[in-house]
Amino acid sequence: RKEVEQDPGPFNVPEGATVAFNCTYSNSASQSFFWYRQDCRKEPKLLMSVYSSGNEDGRFTAQLNRASQYISLLIRDSKLSDSATYLCVVTYTGRRALTFGSGTRLQVQP
Amino acid sequence: GAVVSQHPSRVICKSGTSVKIECRSLDFQATTMFWYRQFPKQSLMLMATSNEGSKATYEQGVEKDKFLINHASLTLSTLTVTSAHPEDSSFYICSAGIQGGSYGYTFGSGTRLTVV
Repeated sequence: RKEVEQDPGPFNVPEGATVAFNCTYSNSASQSFFWYRQDCRKEPKLLMSVYSSGNEDGRFTAQLNRASQYISLLIRDSKLSDSATYLCVVTYTGRRALTFGSGTRLQVQP
Repeated sequence: GAVVSQHPSRVICKSGTSVKIECRSLDFQATTMFWYRQFPKQSLMLMATSNEGSKATYEQGVEKDKFLINHASLTLSTLTVTSAHPEDSSFYICSAGIQGGSYGYTFGSGTRLTVV
């Protein structure tokens, strides 16, 4: 079983749509959680951290459910520029390296 | 903000040759460098963690004699793929960490290696 699992997609949505991505992690020792964005084989870039209380950054909302070991990302009013692969990322106590999910591909269409 | 410069961005080499990839931290001292590999449609997989001045720690299944990592200074870490084979073709990317810092958020721009 993968440590971090995501639906690979692709999610094809029209501009303006709301889309939600889910992620599950298997290690209960997980400490910190993030969503990264990766474009066309470029380096991943931090989109936002994820907190149990939920957090919002503009059109993006992230949520963490520690009991269910589940993380979500909601994108409202999708833009063409949102087209990318979204990576769910987890860190574990005592391990500084990031553990990545395989990503969910989003394609926003005009 | 912190910047990590990674070179080359793309390289094509013949089977059996070696390729060196460099990552430099431009405006900070990177005490730790993480090296990842990403195959098409797969996640970034940690290959090894290197700390300045000490031997790298390799993840299970990664051959330390094939993927040589050097972290001789606080601003430079290198990954050398020795005796490259076509199956080594991948996207290699580094990520730098700072002493006392958190999780190595700063990534290099990646190197696409193609072995022919």
